[in-house]
Amino acid sequence: EDQVTQSPEALRLQEGESSSLNCSYTVSGLRGLFWYRQDPGKGPEFLFTLYSAGEEKEKERLKATLTKKESFLHITAPKPEDSATYLCAVQGPGAGSYQLTFGKGTKLSVIP
Amino acid sequence: GAGVSQSPSNKVTEKGKDVELRCDPISGHTALYWYRQSLGQGLEFLIYFQGNSAPDKSGLPSDRFSAERTGGSVSTLTIQRTQQEDSAVYLCASSLTTNNEQFFGPGTRLTVL
Repeated sequence: EDQVTQSPEALRLQEGESSSLNCSYTVSGLRGLFWYRQDPGKGPEFLFTLYSAGEEKEKERLKATLTKKESFLHITAPKPEDSATYLCAVQGPGAGSYQLTFGKGTKLSVIP
Repeated sequence: GAGVSQSPSNKVTEKGKDVELRCDPISGHTALYWYRQSLGQGLEFLIYFQGNSAPDKSGLPSDRFSAERTGGSVSTLTIQRTQQEDSAVYLCASSLTTNNEQFFGPGTRLTVL
């Protein structure tokens, strides 16, 4: 069974204070690892897909990296508008099914 | 372009009543997914549709839950004889193909009194 564990559950940062969020996963064969951002009362917003160990992707202040066991979402010099819950999900090889298995998320608060 | 839309945005119902939740996927997306997000829990997969293939219903929690997708586009999730534990946000997502990222709608918040 695919499993995803995110840490920490919550993170408070001062504006400009860089940090990283962790996503540890167990999957029999990784088809893809996905990062989403979710604001209160809204659906998850797609950020990145990573497919193989060593892959990195960047978008503005965010950078996602992937190893064989975990992924990190690095946030450089965050701003208050980066405050949200960040969700990690994996897609396994499936047997005709392609659903995502999600972690419980990391709630990020960036204080001005 | 237009994203995934869901209706209603909020639904309050009484225990034992049936409810229908609607999802309009992004035009051209062949795959459609339903998830449930309960307070303090991660997103939980419910059901998946791909083209004209038989849906994957492996995530449906009980036989009170069913879903259909008409004409390969709009989908309806039906919950019969609702229970209080059905209270959650129901999210729909679509993807171009099964190997692409999934785009989510805003969700329907269901409250069962």
